[in-house]
Order: sequence, then C-alpha cells, then structure tokens
Amino acid sequence: DQQVKQNSPSLSVQEGRISILNCDYTNSMFDYFLWYKKYPAEGPTFLISISSIKDKNEDGRFTVFLNKSAKHLSLHIVPSQPGDSAVYFCAASALVQGAQKLVFGQGTRLTINP
Amino acid sequence: DGGITQSPKYLFRKEGQNVTLSCEQNLNHDAMYWYRQDPGQGLRLIYYSQIVNDFQKGDIAEGYSVSREKKESFPLTVTSAQKNPTAFYLCASSRDVQPQHFGDGTRLSIL
Repeated sequence: DQQVKQNSPSLSVQEGRISILNCDYTNSMFDYFLWYKKYPAEGPTFLISISSIKDKNEDGRFTVFLNKSAKHLSLHIVPSQPGDSAVYFCAASALVQGAQKLVFGQGTRLTINP
Repeated sequence: DGGITQSPKYLFRKEGQNVTLSCEQNLNHDAMYWYRQDPGQGLRLIYYSQIVNDFQKGDIAEGYSVSREKKESFPLTVTSAQKNPTAFYLCASSRDVQPQHFGDGTRLSIL
C-alpha cells in the first residue's frame, strides 16, 4: 500500500505564476516531511522540509504547508521560473530504531512554460 | 568538494550475473542508504546502514546484498536472484536526522 501519494503525475504552469504540488500520506507516525527536486539522470536534491510540529515553512520562493488533520502537505513555488521544471518528490520520514527512513511519493513532473 | 559518488553511471548485466554498484561519500555521514527507482514510481528503500559493519533490510531487499566495511563506502550487489534488476539505483547518506543527500545514480540494464 502506498503510504505517500502524489496524485498528479504532471503539472504545467505559466512562468511567473504559482505552482502548487500536493502530497497525501496515511501513516500518522510520520513526523518530518521533505520535498526533493530531481532532474533527469541526476539524483534528487533536497529542497525544503517541515516538521510535524509546524504548519508552514518558507524558504525564498518555496513554501511548504502541512495539514496534519488532513494528512496533506503542499509545496508552493512563487513565482515559477523555467529552471523549476523538474520532477518533485514528496517524502515522509519516521525514525525507526534510530534511522531516518524515508517513504517517497511517485513524483510530479512540473513544467514551467515561458 | 564534498559529495556522494556513484559509479558507473550506466551498467549492463547479462542474465545470471551478479553486479556491484559503487557508492562513496566524503561527507563524513554515518548513515547510508540504497534506493531503487522505476519509471513512474517513487524511490523504494533497498538497504540502509547507520554505522560501519551494520546494515538493515529496507522494503525491497530480496535479491540484493550490501556491505559496510568503511564509513565512506556502501556498495550494493545486485544478485542473479533479483528477478527484475533493470532500474535506476540511487545511493544517499545523512547525518543524524538531517535531510539525505543523494548521488547521481547508476542505471542498470539487462542485456
């Protein structure tokens, strides 16, 4: 069963507008959430994270929102730029025997159109 | 500069052969991880290691083996028992509960 889901395989946004990527999770034991960005043939790059004790974290153009009651998080990118075109993975973390185990969503391919 | 190096970038294997993927890090991270990515899917955890000479199975460990003899190195062997080895393999490392850093991956294909 998929503990972390990104239901939109792709998203297309006009340059300068807001991009909103969504992620849902099922396991209430997750206490830390991350977004990674991935270009083709490269490894994922960490973008932004949020602890379960917060509901918002902001870093420049990127903001992550967490709704624990709905088990939902979202990544907002504003304004969107062509370089933001990539696959974005949501990941949820739980400490298991001292190890940070990440569970990833399937990814959303974001395309920013000029 | 510090980072994670995976080699080779592309690897071809004949059926029935074992193959070893290399992962080296100079970030002084204690924990290292191996993931597999298939098209249209997220990353799935194969094995992880929190400390030298210790490692644990992830969600899809069958057909794989690892070793952790040095802090810097965490090689993954894809054995002939892995029925569907064609995939993109990613290695990661982390310190404490900091976000995991990833290498650029190895794409394994079966001839």
